[in-house]
Amino acid sequence: QVQLVESGGALVKPGGSLRLSCAASGFTFSDYYMAWVRQAPGKGLEWVSYISSSGSRYYVDAVRGRFTISRDNAKNSLYLELDSLRAEDTATYYCATVGGYNFDSWGQGTLVTVSS
Amino acid sequence: SYVLTQHPSVSVAPGQTATITCGGERIGTKNVHWYQQKPRQAPVLVVYDDSERPLGIPERFSGSNSGNTATLTISRVEAGDEADFYCQVWDSSNDPHVIFGGGTKLTVL
Repeated sequence: QVQLVESGGALVKPGGSLRLSCAASGFTFSDYYMAWVRQAPGKGLEWVSYISSSGSRYYVDAVRGRFTISRDNAKNSLYLELDSLRAEDTATYYCATVGGYNFDSWGQGTLVTVSS
Repeated sequence: SYVLTQHPSVSVAPGQTATITCGGERIGTKNVHWYQQKPRQAPVLVVYDDSERPLGIPERFSGSNSGNTATLTISRVEAGDEADFYCQVWDSSNDPHVIFGGGTKLTVL
């Protein structure tokens, strides 16, 4: 059974940094593309980034240059480094497995709040 | 960039059929995926590749896609179906690669 557990969300000041983690289990992590999707309070879903099984990385324009996705296949873990945070980055961040160009399993999310 | 348009809300009585649409230019040429998100929960994939259901999703959930509109249909609606529904497409030739619709709130009367 696929399990994804995010951690690392916190209250951070504008311009600050944060590292989110996602611990994966129940599947062969190294075989899967993985992604981060976020949801601002009361708003819809927004894809943030994904990383291929071989390590290629892709980002939405709003975070490109500020966020960095990475993975550690030995630890079955996915990460998202958030730098130069802005108020508009406030959201619940979900880790998800990528199936056939969809997100077939999701974690419970971790809340990032950017505020002074 | 590519845009997916959903009506903000749909209401239906229990036992009736709910139709949730997702509009996009020539969306019929793309694979569309649908997610259900209940309050304070993570999204769940309910339909993928236009009309396929993941294991564990009831047959009451079905999808279609043609022209400029993709449709999620929920038959025999139950109170527990009340949720937000999002459509999604993936096109690596676009920027961004992944697009979500704005979401539709399904209210069961």
